[in-house]
Parts: sequence; C-alpha cells; structure tokens
Amino acid sequence: KAGVTQTPRYLIKTRGQQVTLSCSPISGHRSVSWYQQTPGQGLQFLFEYFSETQRNKGNFPGRFSGRQFSNSRSEMNVSTLELGDSALYLCASSSGQMAPPGYTFGSGTRLTVV
Amino acid sequence: AQTVTQSQPEMSVQEAETVTLSCTYDTSESDYYLFWYKQPPSRQMILVIRQEAYKQQNATENRFSVNFQKAAKSFSLKISDSQLGDAAMYFCALIQGAQKLVFGQGTRLTINP
Repeated sequence: KAGVTQTPRYLIKTRGQQVTLSCSPISGHRSVSWYQQTPGQGLQFLFEYFSETQRNKGNFPGRFSGRQFSNSRSEMNVSTLELGDSALYLCASSSGQMAPPGYTFGSGTRLTVV
Repeated sequence: AQTVTQSQPEMSVQEAETVTLSCTYDTSESDYYLFWYKQPPSRQMILVIRQEAYKQQNATENRFSVNFQKAAKSFSLKISDSQLGDAAMYFCALIQGAQKLVFGQGTRLTINP
C-alpha cells in the first residue's frame, strides 16, 4: 500500500513568487490536511479538505490556499512569498472518519524563500 | 482553545534504559484523542501511540506506553528498553471534533550507546 506522497521534496523560491505543493493521499483516503512546521512556531494547521471541500481552516493569511481534486490529491498554493514562509510543509492523509481518527503523514516539502 | 505543552525540549537516555516524555494539554471537551508522534531526520511524522479520552486504560504498543491522567490533563510517554532507532523528535498532539491536530513544541530524544 503506497504511502502519502508529497512533491517536490525541496524547493527554493524568491520573495514575491508563488509556489504550489502537491500531496497524494493513501488510496481510499478522502481527507487531506496541511501543516506548516517551523522552528519558532512549531507545527501549525493550515487547512483540511474532504471530498473536494475545505472542511476546516487554520489561522493563516489569504495568501495560503488549497484545493482537492476528485481523486483526493491536494495542492496548496502560497502567493507573494515572504521570507517567513520558509518551512517544512507536511500533509496528512486520513479516511475522514472521526472515530478513531488516523493520520498518515508524508515526508514533507522543504520550502526555502530567499 | 486547545493547547498542548511539552516542557522538555531535550531528553537523553542510555541505550536499553527507560525514559519518560511529558505532555500536558488543555481542552474544554470531554471526548478527544491524544497521540504521540515520532519525527526522525527523514521528516515523516510516524504515529507511535494513540489514546481515546473515554478509555481509562492506558494505551500500550510494544515498548511504548502512556500514562494518561485525564483529570490532571497529563499524557506522558514511556519508552522502555530504549534503542538507537528511537532517537527522534517526539510530538504530543490532541484532536477533538474539528479534525485538526494541535501539536506540542516537541521533545528531542537522544539515545546514548
């Protein structure tokens, strides 16, 4: 059973550019969540998609957006990049069931903004 | 708002010995789940153990066990017979209702051979 696949693994972008990250969940999983991990702020929830609908959103500016496709693959987009957006971006796949919740994480995309 | 606190930024233990990582949390709900995740240098978050709040019995997974004190809102992880492969960042996390994990700041565990 394939795990959660995030692409690319590493990315270097310039301030002001925009970036798109991709996450392919485990087959059969309909929920994808995104988290930002930085040394200063730790792991913070960005948003969650379930069956192509955003079900929950964290406290991030509108420059951060996402979407989910009919095959459950998800993308997140960050526009007008700032230096502070440098982080490890992790996605987590789950069936979407509440009880019990089970999340499988990808290995993340390391974004560096210069 | 839910919060998760890990008060030990770093811990170290001798190989084959036992170590306990601490976690406290705050939530106004009575029904929630608690997790310990391990993040090795490969960056992938790996689930170590999960505890349902409504279950009084402490969860156990091989060498890993928890001490869940619901009234005290405490959820510590005990690793027995520590192995070199246990070296990693360990994160305590909470989820209830809203389908988002709230993480603690993490504890870096070093295993000394």
